[in-house]
Amino acid sequence: NAGVTQTPKFRILKIGQSMTLQCAQDMNHNYMYWYRQDPGMGLKLIYYSVGAGITDKGEVPNGYNVSRSTTEDFPLRLELAAPSQTSVYFCASSTGWQPQHFGDGTRLSIL
Amino acid sequence: KQEVTQIPAALSVPEGENLVLNCSFTDSAIYNLQWFRQDPGKGLTSLLLIQSSQREQTSGRLNASLDKSSGRSTLYIAASQPGDSATYLCAVKKEERAGTALIFGKGTTLSVSS
Repeated sequence: NAGVTQTPKFRILKIGQSMTLQCAQDMNHNYMYWYRQDPGMGLKLIYYSVGAGITDKGEVPNGYNVSRSTTEDFPLRLELAAPSQTSVYFCASSTGWQPQHFGDGTRLSIL
Repeated sequence: KQEVTQIPAALSVPEGENLVLNCSFTDSAIYNLQWFRQDPGKGLTSLLLIQSSQREQTSGRLNASLDKSSGRSTLYIAASQPGDSATYLCAVKKEERAGTALIFGKGTTLSVSS
């Protein structure tokens, strides 16, 4: 079982560049989430989705966009990278009633 | 606004010791509380989930308790081992609504020496 797979694992961006963080799950979970974790801090919710075609903002959505065209995939888009977006990004999935399953994260540095 | 606090921020113990990690939350109207483990450079692994109607959950050497009225939870680790070294995160689900996200504490970093 692959679970939740995130790519890439590491990335360095220049200010103003854009990129997409990929997330895929093979558990047929309807609910998917994007979190960011800053050093020494807890996780904060960026966006979440309750099913294909449905997305909603979390605590810290500014500077990010998401789409959910399939149940399996939930990509996170950074349009104009800023130093404040340097963080570790985690994708998670859930049935909504079970503990959430997390990927191993994407470590993003913006210089 | 729900806030989750974990004390201590870091803890060092010798192998074999029993220990307790603490988690407190400001709003007692939670749906459930979850304890996670995070190893360096890795994602989160769910350890125990306690529903708001439950008092405790056990898995192997781990026991988590919940006192919703006082806004507190504890994670008890028995006979600690070096392999238990990791950061432990507490998170609450704030609403009884499917898909509601978790509110996390900042974690307790545990180091168990052999």
